[in-house]
Amino acid sequence: GENVEQHPSTLSVQEGDSAVIKCTYSDSASNYFPWYKQELGKRPQLIIDIRSNVGEKKDQRIAVTLNKTAKHFSLHITETQPEDSAVYFCAASRWDSNYQLIWGAGTKLIIKP
Amino acid sequence: EAQVTQNPRYLITVTGKKLTVTCSQNMNHEYMSWYRQDPGLGLRQIYYSMNVEVTDKGDVPEGYKVSRKEKRNFPLILESPSPNQTSLYFCASSSGGRAYEQYFGPGTRLTVT
Repeated sequence: GENVEQHPSTLSVQEGDSAVIKCTYSDSASNYFPWYKQELGKRPQLIIDIRSNVGEKKDQRIAVTLNKTAKHFSLHITETQPEDSAVYFCAASRWDSNYQLIWGAGTKLIIKP
Repeated sequence: EAQVTQNPRYLITVTGKKLTVTCSQNMNHEYMSWYRQDPGLGLRQIYYSMNVEVTDKGDVPEGYKVSRKEKRNFPLILESPSPNQTSLYFCASSSGGRAYEQYFGPGTRLTVT
């Protein structure tokens, strides 16, 4: 079955710098890749997602890139701010598994002032 | 206000004492699911429901039951809780299944002693 690996488990960056979190997936038929942000003590919330028919998607300071050949997708956050501190989860799913979402283990992003 | 609610938010119980965690959404979503979140393991799906009276197992269904008698409600039942079910539980709903944005509830912190 599908397996999603997420790296790094913890990422510490200086405020204003960029952060990149990478996920790899095993099932080449996966075609939907969301990213969720979970602030401390809060619920996960979708921040961006991408489908396999596009290679990149941007939303202000956040972007996601997808490399179907290498089977990995990445979250890019530019000009990081203190409110970006959170745990970020990636996930992958495919059509014929009834869109079962397989989640990465999460990355704790720390923004240093 | 569009939301997913869960009750209780915190629960401490003893091994073997049946409990129910309620989940309700007011967005008329067809798809609902339950996750458990444990450190280092990310989010793991317990059960999901594509519509009323339609439920199916997720990744970790053992020890749990669900029902979907009404579109808005999706309770999680632990018939005989055990300490390994101590976890943070999230209910989620979506308008279009798992390939669309999941709206999470606030979470229920369960401790089984």
